Amino acid sequence: NAGVTQTPKFQVLKTGQSMTLQCAQDMNHNSMYWYRQDPGMGLRLIYYSASEGTTDKGEVPNGYNVSRLNKREFSLRLESAAPSQTSVYFCASRSVLDLYNEQFFGPGTRLTVL
Amino acid sequence: EDKVVQSPLSLVVHEGDTVTLNCSYEVTNFRSLLWYKQEKKAPTFLFMLTSSGIEKKSGRLSSILDKKELFSILNITATQTGDSAVYLCAVVDQTGANNLFFGTGTRLTVIP
Repeated sequence: NAGVTQTPKFQVLKTGQSMTLQCAQDMNHNSMYWYRQDPGMGLRLIYYSASEGTTDKGEVPNGYNVSRLNKREFSLRLESAAPSQTSVYFCASRSVLDLYNEQFFGPGTRLTVL
Repeated sequence: EDKVVQSPLSLVVHEGDTVTLNCSYEVTNFRSLLWYKQEKKAPTFLFMLTSSGIEKKSGRLSSILDKKELFSILNITATQTGDSAVYLCAVVDQTGANNLFFGTGTRLTVIP
C-alpha cells in the first residue's frame, strides 16, 4: 500500500497562475483533508471531505477550491495564486471506523508563489 | 474559537535528557487529543488520549491527559538524536467530521 500520495512534491508559480494539487489514498478511507503548514502557524485545515460526494470549508478556505473526484482522490485547486499561498500543503485521510481518529498524511507539496 | 497552544515552541537538549512537552486546549466539543511526530515530511501518529489520568506509553514516550484542566503532556525519557522532530498536538472536535485542530508544534532538537 502506498498510503497517501501527493503530486507534485514541489511547485513554483507566478502570481495569478493556477494549479491543481493532486492527492490519492489507497486505504479505502471515507474522509479526506487538505491542510497548509506555515512557519509558526501549525497545520490549518483548508477543506475537507467527510465522504465521497461532500466537501466542506475548513479554517482557511479563501482562494482555494476542492474536488472529491471519487473515494480515492481529493484535489485542491488554486485559481489565481497569491504570494500568501506560499506554504507546504498536506493531504490526509481517515477511516470513519478508526477509533483513534488517526489521520494519515501524505508527504506534502512545497509551493512557492512569486 | 477553538484553540490549541503548545509550549515551549522549541527546545534543545542533550542526549539522555528527559523532556516534557505541553499542550493546552480550548475546544468546544472535545472528543480526543492526538500527538504526532513530524520529522522532515508528513506527521506520523504517536498517541490518542480520550480519558483523564490514563497514561499512554510507547517505549520511551508517554503521554497523559487532564480533561479538567484542559491539557496534555508528552514525556520523552533518555532522549536520542532520532527524537529530534516537531511534535504536534491536535484535538478532535466531535462535531461534524471529527476535524483536527492543531497546535503550532514544539521543535525538539537533541544534540549528542
